[in-house]
Amino acid sequence: DAGVIQSPRHEVTEMGQEVTLRCKPISGHNSLFWYRQTMMRGLELLIYFNNNVPIDDSGMPEDRFSAKMPNASFSTLKIQPSEPRDSAVYFCASSNRQGNNSPLHFGNGTRLTVT
Amino acid sequence: KNQVEQSPQSLIILEGKNCTLQCNYTVSPFSNLRWYKQDTGRGPVSLTIMTFSENTKSNGRYTATLDADTKQSSLHITASQLSDSASYICVVYNTGGFKTIFGAGTRLFVKA
Repeated sequence: DAGVIQSPRHEVTEMGQEVTLRCKPISGHNSLFWYRQTMMRGLELLIYFNNNVPIDDSGMPEDRFSAKMPNASFSTLKIQPSEPRDSAVYFCASSNRQGNNSPLHFGNGTRLTVT
Repeated sequence: KNQVEQSPQSLIILEGKNCTLQCNYTVSPFSNLRWYKQDTGRGPVSLTIMTFSENTKSNGRYTATLDADTKQSSLHITASQLSDSASYICVVYNTGGFKTIFGAGTRLFVKA
């Protein structure tokens, strides 16, 4: 079990550029979550998918953010155009959602810096 | 409003000492509560889950308690080690949906 794999680990970009973060969930998990973590706000849920279908995207900050899950083994989070206030660590997590008792398995995150 | 509050915000202890982290929640309806450990530069990892009917559960040197009446949980770490230095995050799940409410975490520093 390789765990949840995120890439890149670090991303530095200039304001206005497009940023794409990638995630490979644990094989067999049917739910995938994107979180953002900052010192000020802690962990915030951006969006989650169940069986590749977006269920709740109410946490997506604005239209500059979009997420896709074209298949069960891959998801992307895109920011276009990026802004300095988007700087944060973005985590992807997956879960085998048999009820609410399944833990979230997090990747090691992508640290995004927008200058 | 569903909220999870953790205390203290940060804590410094000497290696070998015990400590207790607190979590108060107002999430309703309650399903379960998890404690996660997050090492620097890594994603959170689940330590333990507490369901409504459970009062205490141990995982090695970690012992979690839950008082569903007062809506409080604690995480007790026994004989701390340097590797316990991390953030500890309390997460509460509500029943019926997939909503998880995260606490802000307690940053623990264990010094030699």
